[in-house]
Amino acid sequence: GNSVTQMEGPVTLSEEAFLTINCTYTATGYPSLFWYVQYPGEGLQLLLKATKADDKGSNKGFEATYRKETTSFHLEKGSVQVSDSAVYFCALSLHGSSNTGKLIFGQGTTLQVKP
Amino acid sequence: DTGVSQDPRHKITKRGQNVTFRCDPISEHNRLYWYRQTLGQGPEFLTYFQNEAQLEKSRLLSDRFSAERPKGSFSTLEIQRTEQGDSAMYLCASSSSRAVANYGYTFGSGTRLTVV
Repeated sequence: GNSVTQMEGPVTLSEEAFLTINCTYTATGYPSLFWYVQYPGEGLQLLLKATKADDKGSNKGFEATYRKETTSFHLEKGSVQVSDSAVYFCALSLHGSSNTGKLIFGQGTTLQVKP
Repeated sequence: DTGVSQDPRHKITKRGQNVTFRCDPISEHNRLYWYRQTLGQGPEFLTYFQNEAQLEKSRLLSDRFSAERPKGSFSTLEIQRTEQGDSAMYLCASSSSRAVANYGYTFGSGTRLTVV
């Protein structure tokens, strides 16, 4: 089946530290990969995406590279800020005539950044 | 365009009562998805519409749940005879089938249901 596995949280970092949140996937076919962020009290927001192998998605200083050989899409940021504190979700979707394009999410990783 | 709107934001109901949630997607999006998110978990797919047709339903969607999308615009999700296990955040998302691979999905802020 199709699934997404994320590293467990919470992840607690000091401001300006380097962030990595691991994400691996299992998929029948060639998925698109996404990172969504959920700030406290808010809905899910698309952070970045990649639609094919070796693509790098980037936004707001965050990056993730679609690695087909390791079936991974790890999220990184070189210097986190307190405002990055949120829950981060890795997700995949499958496309094509036989797929609905629904998103399959990981369980989420809580990031806490301390001043 | 104001994005995906969901109403109400919060709903508290007594066990056994029926509840209905509404989702207004982005107007040009033909696909609409409902997800359920429980505390500490990622969203789980419930059902999906392309225009007015409901094309897939998850096994999570018991017979107490029904969803509609009349005229392919807004959608409603009804839960009959609510149970405490139905307490969750119900999320709606929309997308364009022609562009979903490139532009992803837009989520609403969700409806938080509490069954007491």
